[in-house]
Amino acid sequence: DGGITQSPKYLFRKEGQNVTLSCEQNLNHDAMYWYRQDPGQGLRLIYYSQIVNDFQKGDIAEGYSVSREKKESFPLTVTSAQKNPTAFYLCASSDRGLTQYFGPGTRLTVT
Amino acid sequence: RKEVEQDPGPFNVPEGATVAFNCTYSNSASQSFFWYRQDCRKEPKLLMSVYSSGNEDGRFTAQLNRASQYISLLIRDSKLSDSATYLCVVLGYNKLIFGAGTRLAVHP
Repeated sequence: DGGITQSPKYLFRKEGQNVTLSCEQNLNHDAMYWYRQDPGQGLRLIYYSQIVNDFQKGDIAEGYSVSREKKESFPLTVTSAQKNPTAFYLCASSDRGLTQYFGPGTRLTVT
Repeated sequence: RKEVEQDPGPFNVPEGATVAFNCTYSNSASQSFFWYRQDCRKEPKLLMSVYSSGNEDGRFTAQLNRASQYISLLIRDSKLSDSATYLCVVLGYNKLIFGAGTRLAVHP
């Protein structure tokens, strides 16, 4: 089946540790996105990539980093510099149209 | 002012009711609009795009009012399975901008 996978579903980390969230898609989409969702707020764009080996900062990129070495993969690293990392992280991809398809998300809890 | 604003709800309605959600957006140059549905603790999924002339998909009708900069979603004959959060989404400057969502709870 074609789709987007994110792993793990739940992740727990201690403050001060970097953590990498996985996002893989087999939809052959060029564009991929990372969002975070906090209670009572809309999705906020962290980073996006329109093509392999290229990515741009979204609205809240501070404390995060990404790479896009392969078309299928767009991992997100939450660094220790991110002040409030606990959130629901969603990865999405899109073809040349505007419809974005989301992965199931990763709930990150940092204590 | 938020770029996309929605009433957070919750809207509690009985099965069979008709319910309407509104959403306002601030960028008058926006050209594309969508409604996504998000179930509790799940990812958002596209429900429908919103076209200038209004569009219908079964029990769901979406309308756009450019002059007043608002979008609406009407759900007729509500089902228990319609219970979810409905996200209003607007295409901004080359990116999608998501509203915080309106929660709908349909009860028997």
